Amino acid sequence: GQQVMQIPQYQHVQEGEDFTTYCNSSTTLSNIQWYKQRPGGHPVFLIQLVKSGEVKKQKRLTFQFGEAKKNSSLHITATQTTDVGTYFCARSYGGSQGNLIFGKGTKLSVKP
Amino acid sequence: KAGVTQTPRYLIKTRGQQVTLSCSPISGHRSVSWYQQTPGQGLQFLFEYFSETQRNKGNFPGRFSGRQFSNSRSEMNVSTLELGDSALYLCASSELQGPVRGEQYFGPGTRLTVT
Repeated sequence: GQQVMQIPQYQHVQEGEDFTTYCNSSTTLSNIQWYKQRPGGHPVFLIQLVKSGEVKKQKRLTFQFGEAKKNSSLHITATQTTDVGTYFCARSYGGSQGNLIFGKGTKLSVKP
Repeated sequence: KAGVTQTPRYLIKTRGQQVTLSCSPISGHRSVSWYQQTPGQGLQFLFEYFSETQRNKGNFPGRFSGRQFSNSRSEMNVSTLELGDSALYLCASSELQGPVRGEQYFGPGTRLTVT
């Protein structure tokens, strides 16, 4: 019940195509965070969603939190080669913000 | 502000040995968390420290331990190393207050190889 499931595991797109990754939980989430890890790098925080139905945008990235707070998505419009990396969703657990349970991630590759 | 630093960056050890990894959080951050990253299991939470106290512990054997010092610097120790302990060990610090509580700032990690 603590886990967050992320799909797809891999996504290969042509540059300019859109990309979406989904994060699902069987239990209600207090919040969801998204991170990006470039090849050879470390996870970098992208955003946190807290409210039911929340939608946040960062340039070409759109993040959504489901109405029931059990799912979330990250959508990238018109992918670029700089978007290459693995995108993780993460939930806090155990009443502490410093304890994150990560999804397995979606590895995005972009063909120029 | 300087980012999270971890030392050493790379380490090769033999089965049965023990290892200590170090993490210096961002100045002012009092929460430090450790994660293990492997291709098979992904990112897994090890433990979290706040003000020198362990607040949470993940589902790892007792061979994995950690501590935090008064200056918020943290160390983790793995005793009796096994081949399966080969992984990237990531340290993350956070403020636990402000507009985005719990945003984790990750260090570059320590790549541990056990042979």
